[in-house]
Amino acid sequence: AQSVTQLDSQVPVFEEAPVELRCNYSSSVSVYLFWYVQYPNQGLQLLLKYLSGSTLVESINGFEAEFNKSQTSFHLRKPSVHISDTAEYFCAVSGGGSQGNLIFGKGTKLSVKP
Amino acid sequence: DADVTQTPRNRITKTGKRIMLECSQTKGHDRMYWYRQDPGLGLQLIYYSFDVKDINKGEISDGYSVSRQAQAKFSLSLESAIPNQTALYFCATSDLYRDEQFFGPGTRLTVL
Repeated sequence: AQSVTQLDSQVPVFEEAPVELRCNYSSSVSVYLFWYVQYPNQGLQLLLKYLSGSTLVESINGFEAEFNKSQTSFHLRKPSVHISDTAEYFCAVSGGGSQGNLIFGKGTKLSVKP
Repeated sequence: DADVTQTPRNRITKTGKRIMLECSQTKGHDRMYWYRQDPGLGLQLIYYSFDVKDINKGEISDGYSVSRQAQAKFSLSLESAIPNQTALYFCATSDLYRDEQFFGPGTRLTVL
């Protein structure tokens, strides 16, 4: 069975500081990995994904995540956060192929303070 | 127009009532999903469907049923609502050959 662990439920940080949101997964098959973001009172939006190829993936708004197979991790990082990054972030894993459904972590609430 | 829509957006109902939440998509995707979100628990899969004739239970299907009326429509029903079904419900879709999922805006359901 697959599972996802997000190690921090809340991460407070000051504006322009770096941030890392941690995600570890467990799976017996090769995986696809995702980070979704949920802004207040909205649905989930895909932030970035790893399917194959380069282990470092980037989003258009400055976030990046690195797939580390040996450590079974997919941590999300941003070198300098903005107030507008305040949201809840969900890490998810999919076995791909005929399975298709995502297993989500419990979420990390990022709170950026001025 | 939004690619994945959900109706209603908010609903307050009483214990024992039957409730239907509807989801429509214009993305042309075959796969559709219903999730429930509770604070601190993330998203949990209720049901999923890979095509009109295919319905599968997720991890928390008890107390829920679904209907896939067409490729574009996937409804979730609570046969007899109870207070612990108070939650935020999301519909999602994905392409047959990819695993990225696209989410609707959610339905906030309160069962009194």
